[in-house]
Amino acid sequence: DTAVSQTPKYLVTQMGNDKSIKCEQNLGHDTMYWYKQDSKKFLKIMFSYNNKELIINETVPNRFSPKSPDKAHLNLHINSLELGDSAVYFCASSVTTGELFFGEGSRLTVL
Amino acid sequence: AQSVAQPEDQVNVAEGNPLTVKCTYSVSGNPYLFWYVQYPNRGLQFLLKYITGDNLVKGSYGFEAEFNKSQTSFHLKKPSALVSDSALYFCAASSYGAGSYQLTFGKGTKLSVIP
Repeated sequence: DTAVSQTPKYLVTQMGNDKSIKCEQNLGHDTMYWYKQDSKKFLKIMFSYNNKELIINETVPNRFSPKSPDKAHLNLHINSLELGDSAVYFCASSVTTGELFFGEGSRLTVL
Repeated sequence: AQSVAQPEDQVNVAEGNPLTVKCTYSVSGNPYLFWYVQYPNRGLQFLLKYITGDNLVKGSYGFEAEFNKSQTSFHLKKPSALVSDSALYFCAASSYGAGSYQLTFGKGTKLSVIP
């Protein structure tokens, strides 16, 4: 009965590869997000989608491309992975009063 | 631009003692304020929020937070700490624009409750 689910939970890959992380929420929320948590636990918003439309696109390299096929799904595709992309990526969705519901995170390690 | 400051990287407290985790914010307009908790290798869990109304907000697991507009603070408190409260705590402030909430997080405070 997981509210926000992400796959995969762990991802280990080589520099230069392309990878995707998938996210699904069954809460009926209109807005979904991708956050990046670095090794110092700092959280930074990357993207926000409202009803499949891109709302927030922070300063993120073009190698990162979000896609929202419907309002319950928000996937993140990363091209040409670099060492600095290693982090934990969190998907979240939000209610109209603003609190976020987070997935369990996808830990990406680039070797 | 909005910002959130958590001045303490770590807070240590003995089990059974009261705890406080500090947070100050800078938001234009009326702030929406939140506290989240993160256990190791887990996602963030919502604890409580302030949008309007009473300055003292009660949340999950016996936590509460006090909104102080003059000091622009939103400190998290609990009367009696449990070892299981040991985790990373994030304060966040939100503004609404263009169809979504943009939540800005503090850098987090690690709470250690000592048995």
